[in-house]
Amino acid sequence: AQSVAQPEDQVNVAEGNPLTVKCTYSVSGNPYLFWYVQYPNRGLQFLLKYITGDNLVKGSYGFEAEFNKSQTSFHLKKPSALVSDSALYFCAVRVLNQAGTALIFGKGTTLSVSS
Amino acid sequence: EADIYQTPRYLVIGTGKKITLECSQTMGHDKMYWYQQDPGMELHLIHYSYGVNSTEKGDLSSESTVSRIRTEHFPLTLESARPSHTSQYLCANHPERGDNEQYFGPGTRLTVT
Repeated sequence: AQSVAQPEDQVNVAEGNPLTVKCTYSVSGNPYLFWYVQYPNRGLQFLLKYITGDNLVKGSYGFEAEFNKSQTSFHLKKPSALVSDSALYFCAVRVLNQAGTALIFGKGTTLSVSS
Repeated sequence: EADIYQTPRYLVIGTGKKITLECSQTMGHDKMYWYQQDPGMELHLIHYSYGVNSTEKGDLSSESTVSRIRTEHFPLTLESARPSHTSQYLCANHPERGDNEQYFGPGTRLTVT
């Protein structure tokens, strides 16, 4: 079955430290992978995507993600966390359905950055 | 920018009432989606549309219905609201030029008492 997993419900880091939010996937074929961020009482904001090419993709707000095919992972990273990065982060993968394509989202990881 | 709008942002309503959650876009994209999200939880696709007069049910069974009479609007309706419908409802669209990323509206937080 096609799926995406975020093994950590919560990640806590101190401001200025590097952060990693983990994501693993299971899809047939080449994966199309995405990261979204959700602030309280808001919709999801698109951060970055991996389709093909360089395994390290850069996105909004200084975030980047590394695609690792052998480990089927797409971890989100940032070299220096900010308190304002505190939010709920979702990993997503494109899947094919009967009418075309859709996104499947992970359960989300709450990132808490302390000052 | 997604240019996708949802109204109302917050709604508290009594059991048995009929409600319609509005979703509109200005970009004219064919593909639109509705997701249901419990607080701090994962998203579940409940409906999607690939164009006018096209609607399909998503992965999560929902008692809501949708319509797509015009490209710009993708409203979601609950004929008789129940407390179990309390949730956040997120609408999204998908530009044709792109690699399947979706862009989301701000969401409607529905509370049924």
